[in-house]
Amino acid sequence: DIQMTQSPSSLSASVGDRVTITCRASQSISTYLNWYQQKPGKAPKLLIYGASNLQSGVPSRFSGSGSGTDFTLTISSLQPEDFATYYCQQSYSTLWTFGQGTKVEIK
Amino acid sequence: QVQVVQSGAEVKKPGASVKVSCKASGYTFTGYYVHWVRQAPGQGLEWMGWINPNTGGTNYALKFLARVTMTWDTSISTAYMELSRLRSDDTAVYYCATGAAVAVGPIGVDNWGQGTLVTVSS
Repeated sequence: DIQMTQSPSSLSASVGDRVTITCRASQSISTYLNWYQQKPGKAPKLLIYGASNLQSGVPSRFSGSGSGTDFTLTISSLQPEDFATYYCQQSYSTLWTFGQGTKVEIK
Repeated sequence: QVQVVQSGAEVKKPGASVKVSCKASGYTFTGYYVHWVRQAPGQGLEWMGWINPNTGGTNYALKFLARVTMTWDTSISTAYMELSRLRSDDTAVYYCATGAAVAVGPIGVDNWGQGTLVTVSS
């Protein structure tokens, strides 16, 4: 299996901050990397697909970059509704895998 | 408008099996893979596998290979995930998700069910 490792596991930030989350794959996955947001008690929501493509309806403050093994999710100006857990997920292999998640908390 | 609706919560004893259903509407059921993902209490997302409703093909995570079976019924646009020989650590919310037309590629899944809580307890 391709292992996905996110960092940090959690972070505290304030409204308006720029936030960056990193995801590293155990082997090259081209740009077959997706990002999800999950709020407590809710199903995950697709934010970014193909490393840098914004899913329809997702605010433009979210952006993704990277290729190969290293990827980032950036929130340019954190909003109150962005406090949640974020997961990366690879779709390079027919056996998909998720990262362990990054919880974004209010400072 | 795409909708994905899962069956209700289940309580099972260790060693039993559970079968969760996932009914889709608003799109061509055979056009997209159905993935199953679970989340234990307070834990992260764990991908379990997918089924291709067009061909019946399946692919399971190695961890679940011996215990999971994914099936479908095109006539009612419903996918199923059955997990056998349940253990207490199988207690989790089980999600189905769809929206990807291929097995690999720069694609994610953007239509998720509401989740089904499966509790395994003696």
